[in-house]
Amino acid sequence: KAGVTQTPRYLIKTRGQQVTLSCSPISGHRSVSWYQQTPGQGLQFLFEYFSETQRNKGNFPGRFSGRQFSNSRSEMNVSTLELGDSALYLCASSPGQVYGYTFGSGTRLTVV
Amino acid sequence: SQQGEEDPQALSIQEGENATMNCSYKTSINNLQWYRQNSGRGLVHLILIRSNEREKHSGRLRVTLDTSKKSSSLLITASRAADTASYFCATDGPSGGYQKVTFGTGTKLQVIP
Repeated sequence: KAGVTQTPRYLIKTRGQQVTLSCSPISGHRSVSWYQQTPGQGLQFLFEYFSETQRNKGNFPGRFSGRQFSNSRSEMNVSTLELGDSALYLCASSPGQVYGYTFGSGTRLTVV
Repeated sequence: SQQGEEDPQALSIQEGENATMNCSYKTSINNLQWYRQNSGRGLVHLILIRSNEREKHSGRLRVTLDTSKKSSSLLITASRAADTASYFCATDGPSGGYQKVTFGTGTKLQVIP
């Protein structure tokens, strides 16, 4: 059974640019969540999608957005990148609330 | 914002010893989970304990949950060098309905061979 796949693994972008990260969940998992991990802030919840609907959202500015497709694949977009957006972005999928998450390996974004 | 807070922040033990990590959280929860993260990689789910459970075992792992104290502990018995990682607790809450899962600050465990 394939795990959660995140692409790309590494990304370097310039301030002001925008970026799109992709996540393919485990087959059959309809819930996809995104987290930002930085040394200073730890793991911060970005948003969670279930059956193409955003079910929960964290405290991030509107520059951070996401969506989920009918095949449960999800993308997150960050516009007008800032240096502080440099982080490891983790995607996690789950079949339901009473189950744990399966995480992808993450996308490491560096903004220069 | 973090819902959970792990204690200690860092722990260094000899191989073979037991490691205990604690997690405190602020609001009522449906479930509490523990995860492991090796340096710079994705998190691995270890165990989930429901709010109506008090103790759960999985191999060398033992998790307890005290909802009256809003705290949980993770015990790793007979530790191995391969257990070296950061450990996070994650909670969904407040209870009732579907809530987002938030992670604690983590405990960095080093097991010395």
